[in-house]
Amino acid sequence: DTEVTQTPKHLVMGMTNKKSLKCEQHMGHRAMYWYKQKAKKPPELMFVYSYEKLSINESVPSRFSPECPNSSLLNLHLHALQPEDSALYLCASSQGKWRGVLRTGELFFGEGSRLTVL
Amino acid sequence: AQSVAQPEDQVNVAEGNPLTVKCTYSVSGNPYLFWYVQYPNRGLQFLLKYITGDNLVKGSYGFEAEFNKSQTSFHLKKPSALVSDSALYFCAVRDHREGTGTASKLTFGTGTRLQVTL
Repeated sequence: DTEVTQTPKHLVMGMTNKKSLKCEQHMGHRAMYWYKQKAKKPPELMFVYSYEKLSINESVPSRFSPECPNSSLLNLHLHALQPEDSALYLCASSQGKWRGVLRTGELFFGEGSRLTVL
Repeated sequence: AQSVAQPEDQVNVAEGNPLTVKCTYSVSGNPYLFWYVQYPNRGLQFLLKYITGDNLVKGSYGFEAEFNKSQTSFHLKKPSALVSDSALYFCAVRDHREGTGTASKLTFGTGTRLQVTL
């Protein structure tokens, strides 16, 4: 069982809709990530938040808008998506620094949100 | 830049036989290496990692991996495969210097599908 919780598990939306994906972790991790994964492909990094600040944006189109309201929550706001954006969206977290030392950085993933854009 | 290669799209093995899933990597500095497993329509589960120390790393579900610096490899192994091991396996690497200071920027391989048959 994962300690990173993602909702909803499935989402179907039209190209004009606005929706959000949510992610929550209670492991005290200070880094949180959004990945996009197409079928039978590796995850592709989209965004990284470190201590609630956006630290990496992998040139993701503006129709994807991340938000980190606090250290436990991560949202991905979706607007005017295209059918090719249909994918599994994975949230992950990692420990970050502890006592000033960067931890080894393994990521803990949620089960994902399966998005279908019609 | 860092990269990972998983040369086999699929590995087939009979239950009870040993299995190996291959991974080679390229980083400029010292590597942090990870294996993840993904079952259909699920998130990625962390199996094991190599950071430093013994070249043979033991992980979850009886899996182990051998770090070979001279061959820049980190092959995943299991002495006796189970049908339930059938899944998609991803190798990932991180240069120990890569990231924002708190977050990890992992590079994933393309994945290897393991099929274990009776």
